[in-house]
Amino acid sequence: AQSVSQHNHHVILSEAASLELGCNYSYGGTVNLFWYVQYPGQHLQLLLKYFSGDPLVKGIKGFEAEFIKSKFSFNLRKPSVQWSDTAEYFCAVNARTGGFKTIFGAGTRLFVKA
Amino acid sequence: GAGVSQSPSNKVTEKGKDVELRCDPISGHTALYWYRQRLGQGLEFLIYFQGNSAPDKSGLPSDRFSAERTGESVSTLTIQRTQQEDSAVYLCASSSRVGGTNEKLFFGSGTQLSVL
Repeated sequence: AQSVSQHNHHVILSEAASLELGCNYSYGGTVNLFWYVQYPGQHLQLLLKYFSGDPLVKGIKGFEAEFIKSKFSFNLRKPSVQWSDTAEYFCAVNARTGGFKTIFGAGTRLFVKA
Repeated sequence: GAGVSQSPSNKVTEKGKDVELRCDPISGHTALYWYRQRLGQGLEFLIYFQGNSAPDKSGLPSDRFSAERTGESVSTLTIQRTQQEDSAVYLCASSSRVGGTNEKLFFGSGTQLSVL
């Protein structure tokens, strides 16, 4: 079955630490990839997306993600996290083989200690 | 409206009762999604609409769940004979189209359903 896997369910970091959240998907063919974020008390919102072209995409607030087709991965990174990055992060995919519906991973809760 | 609106924001019901959850998408958005998020878990796809039709209902957990959309606008998710395992946050999202290079989902604040 088509799926999206996020490796870490909970991550705790100190401010200024580097962040990498893993995401793997099982779809074949062309995929569109997303990271969404949900800050405490707020709606889910788009952080960044990849459709084609440069596999390294940059999003808001200094986040970036790299699409590695051979590894079916789309990991999220940030060189130096801030306390305000405390949130839940969701990887999402849609693809022709999946009927184009957007499927989400289980999410990763990030807590950044001040 | 300016964003995706869901109502009610909270619903407490007794086991066995029916509930209706409503979603008002962003005006002009043809695609509408329903997701479920159980406590401590990720977003579980339920159903999506392109216009008023639902090409994919594969995520609906059982025949107690149904959804409809009218006027390419408001959608209602109905859960019949609610069970305790139906307790979750039900999220609605809309986008200008399903799939493709421009899809960005806009989420509502969800309906917290508690089945006692």
